Amino acid sequence: NAGVTQTPKFQVLKTGQSMTLQCAQDMNHEYMSWYRQDPGMGLRLIHYSVGAGITDQGEVPNGYNVSRSTTEDFPLRLLSAAPSQTSVYFCASSYSRETYEQYFGPGTRLTVT
Amino acid sequence: DQQVKQNSPSLSVQEGRISILNCDYTNSMFDYFLWYKKYPAEGPTFLISISSIKDKNEDGRFTVFLNKSAKHLSLHIVPSQPGDSAVYFCAVPTSGTYKYIFGTGTRLKVLA
Repeated sequence: NAGVTQTPKFQVLKTGQSMTLQCAQDMNHEYMSWYRQDPGMGLRLIHYSVGAGITDQGEVPNGYNVSRSTTEDFPLRLLSAAPSQTSVYFCASSYSRETYEQYFGPGTRLTVT
Repeated sequence: DQQVKQNSPSLSVQEGRISILNCDYTNSMFDYFLWYKKYPAEGPTFLISISSIKDKNEDGRFTVFLNKSAKHLSLHIVPSQPGDSAVYFCAVPTSGTYKYIFGTGTRLKVLA
């Protein structure tokens, strides 16, 4: 199993550009989430999904869109990048709510200039 | 207002000694707690968890203690090893949802 994979590893965007961060898992996990990590702020939940076709907002959803058309993939779209979205982004998945344990991808470091 | 707090941003411990990392929470309805470990340039990895029906859970060198009355949990690492040097996050899945709340993390440095 590859686990949770994220692409790209690094990205530099100009203000106003859009892009999609890719996330995929091959563990047949129901739950998938996106977090951002900023210095001194821990990990903050952006969006999450409890299954294909079902998504919901987390703590910091503004400026981001998600969709979940398959169990495996959970892309995160930045609609119009802003410098405040400079961060490290992590995707995570979990088999079910009962286990709670999440498996994280290696992260995408995004810089918006 | 932060519902999960790790008040020590960093901790240094000598190899072989005990490391104690602390986490405080505000909501008495939280019923499950997890610790994650994160190395630089990697994603967090699950370390250990505890349900609110227990006050202690042990896994090898790692033990988590839960004090519900104080709304406090702690992670003990005994003996500490240089490979334990990482950032440790406590995390709580909020009741009835899949919305996790993470603490801000504690950077542990184990000195050889």
